[in-house]
Amino acid sequence: SQTIHQWPATLVQPVGSPLSLECTVEGTSNPNLYWYRQAAGRGLQLLFYSVGIGQISSEVPQNLSASRPQDRQFILSSKKLLLSDSGFYLCAWIPQGAGANVLTFGAGSRLTVL
Amino acid sequence: SQQGEEDPQALSIQEGENATMNCSYKTSINNLQWYRQNSGRGLVHLILIRSNEREKHSGRLRVTLDTSKKSSSLLITASRAADTASYFCAPDNYGQNFVFGPGTRLSVLP
Repeated sequence: SQTIHQWPATLVQPVGSPLSLECTVEGTSNPNLYWYRQAAGRGLQLLFYSVGIGQISSEVPQNLSASRPQDRQFILSSKKLLLSDSGFYLCAWIPQGAGANVLTFGAGSRLTVL
Repeated sequence: SQQGEEDPQALSIQEGENATMNCSYKTSINNLQWYRQNSGRGLVHLILIRSNEREKHSGRLRVTLDTSKKSSSLLITASRAADTASYFCAPDNYGQNFVFGPGTRLSVLP
């Protein structure tokens, strides 16, 4: 079966520290992968998406970067966190070549920057 | 891709009542999808309606699509406390990137 995993689930980090959030998908090949951020009580902001290994599209200039070192692995990183990086980060995927694009989301990673 | 705009931003109803939320978008679409997000969780896909469909049902959910007005509505009938969540629409025009609006926060009071 197809599943998506995100970790860590919660993270508290000081300002200026690095960040690494990981997302992996099982049971599919060559998915499109997405990172979203959601501020408290707000909608989702698309940060990055990837249609293949090493292919990253950035939607919003950020203090963040994304990488896709393997087909089913998507990593969100930062070298130095800002207070404004706090939020709920969601990874999602879509099967490549699917008849209709239906996103499947992970459980999310809640980041608090102090 | 394009962003859908949900309306109202917040909705509070009593259990058993119907809840209606709307979505507007700006350009042509292939399909439109609705998602639900329970507090502190990821989004869950609810229903997809294609551009050549006008209405679709799934359990207590009814979705309509008016491509001439570039709008969609989601009706939840006989609401329950468990329907309390945020609801998002996602217009899809064959794009690879999905952009979500601010959503409608639905509160169903017991």
